[in-house]
Amino acid sequence: KQEVTQIPAALSVPEGENLVLNCSFTDSAIYNLQWFRQDPGKGLTSLLLIQSSQREQTSGRLNASLDKSSGRSTLYIAASQPGDSATYLCAVRLSGTYKYIFGTGTRLKVLA
Amino acid sequence: DVKVTQSSRYLVKRTGEKVFLECVQDMDHENMFWYRQDPGLGLRLIYFSYDVKMKEKGDIPEGYSVSREKKERFSLILESASTNQTSMYLCASNYPAQDTQYFGPGTRLTVL
Repeated sequence: KQEVTQIPAALSVPEGENLVLNCSFTDSAIYNLQWFRQDPGKGLTSLLLIQSSQREQTSGRLNASLDKSSGRSTLYIAASQPGDSATYLCAVRLSGTYKYIFGTGTRLKVLA
Repeated sequence: DVKVTQSSRYLVKRTGEKVFLECVQDMDHENMFWYRQDPGLGLRLIYFSYDVKMKEKGDIPEGYSVSREKKERFSLILESASTNQTSMYLCASNYPAQDTQYFGPGTRLTVL
């Protein structure tokens, strides 16, 4: 059974710091992996999607990498800002299905 | 811009009531999803639909049913609400080929 884990559960960093959020999954038979952002009391916003054949995707200050063989993905945020404060979730889509399995998220706080 | 709307942001119901949560998307997406989100458990899939009148159970369908009579609308029904169904409910939609999920703002349901 696929399990998705995100460690740490919470993180506080000073503004301007580069940071890495981690996501690990137990079954490498995935179709793709997505990173989402969730602000308090709101829905999720898709940040980056990496297909299983890709190694990384970039959008602005965000870079996500995928290592299927080791069951790991990282989200790199450069030059963090207070506006980056949110919960970041990763989700894997299982091969051959429309199902997505979500991690429990990392709650990020960027201090001004 | 894709828009996914949910009928209520906050809802309070009594045990035993029948509850309807509605989700509407405006992008002609084939796939629609219902998740619930609980602290420490992350998002869990309740049901999803890949076409009008087509549905598939997710990981936690017990106590729920769904209806998709029109492509843009996906309803989640709690047949007889119970206190353990107090949660945040999130709807999402996407094109199967595109894969990026678009989420609604969520409905926070409290069952007393």
